[in-house]
Amino acid sequence: GAGVSQTPSNKVTEKGKYVELRCDPISGHTALYWYRQSLGQGPEFLIYFQGTGAADDSGLPNDRFFAVRPEGSVSTLKIQRTERGDSAVYLCASSLTTTSGSYNEQFFGPGTRLTVL
Amino acid sequence: GEDVEQSLFLSVREGDSSVINCTYTDSSSTYLYWYKQEPGAGLQLLTYIFSNMDMKQDQRLTVLLNKKDKHLSLRIADTQTGDSAIYFCAEIGYNNNDMRFGAGTRLTAKP
Repeated sequence: GAGVSQTPSNKVTEKGKYVELRCDPISGHTALYWYRQSLGQGPEFLIYFQGTGAADDSGLPNDRFFAVRPEGSVSTLKIQRTERGDSAVYLCASSLTTTSGSYNEQFFGPGTRLTVL
Repeated sequence: GEDVEQSLFLSVREGDSSVINCTYTDSSSTYLYWYKQEPGAGLQLLTYIFSNMDMKQDQRLTVLLNKKDKHLSLRIADTQTGDSAIYFCAEIGYNNNDMRFGAGTRLTAKP
C-alpha cells in the first residue's frame, strides 16, 4: 500500500508569508506526528495527533505554528508570518496507535523542504 | 531536557565493520531505534530494541544496548558502499509520543 505522502515536496516563500504543508498518513493509522529537521540536525518533534485531536503540541516553537487534522486523516501544518529560521525539512509520520509502553513503528514521509527567503 | 548524542562522522573501508555509537539521557526510554537517511529520501527504520534487551541481531546489523550507561550502538558487518548514509539514533519514552533523535552520524564506506 501507499506510504506517508507529503505535499509540496519543496516550498519557497518570502519572509512574512503564510504557508501550509500537507500530510497524508497511511490509511488506518490513527496517530500522526510532525517533526522539523534543520540542516545537519536530527528531526525534532513538533506535534502529535491521536485521531482528530492534538494530544501533544509541546514541540511547537511558538504561536506562529499551528496544525490541524479535522477528519482524523490528512493533516495540515500551518506557519504564519514565516521567518528565515523556519527554513527546514518538515517531516510527517504516522503509526497505527500509540498505546503507552507498546511498540508502534512510526512511518515517515519524504518531507517538505521549506525555504524562507 | 533529554538529549541523544552521536558522533557526526564515520569513514570505513568497504568490507570492514562499522560501529556507530549513541548516548542518551532519558532513563525512562522504552524503545531505541536506528534510522537510515539517504540523500533526498525519507527516514527508513533499520532496527529497534526494547529497553529490557541488551542485544538484537538482524542479518548484518547488531544492536547493543547498555541501559546502565545509556549507551546504544549499531554494528554493520561487511559494510558496503550502499550503506553510505546518515544514521540516526532515536529513543521514545513510555508515553510513546515524541521521538527524540540524535544529530545523525554520516557513514561513508569507501571502496
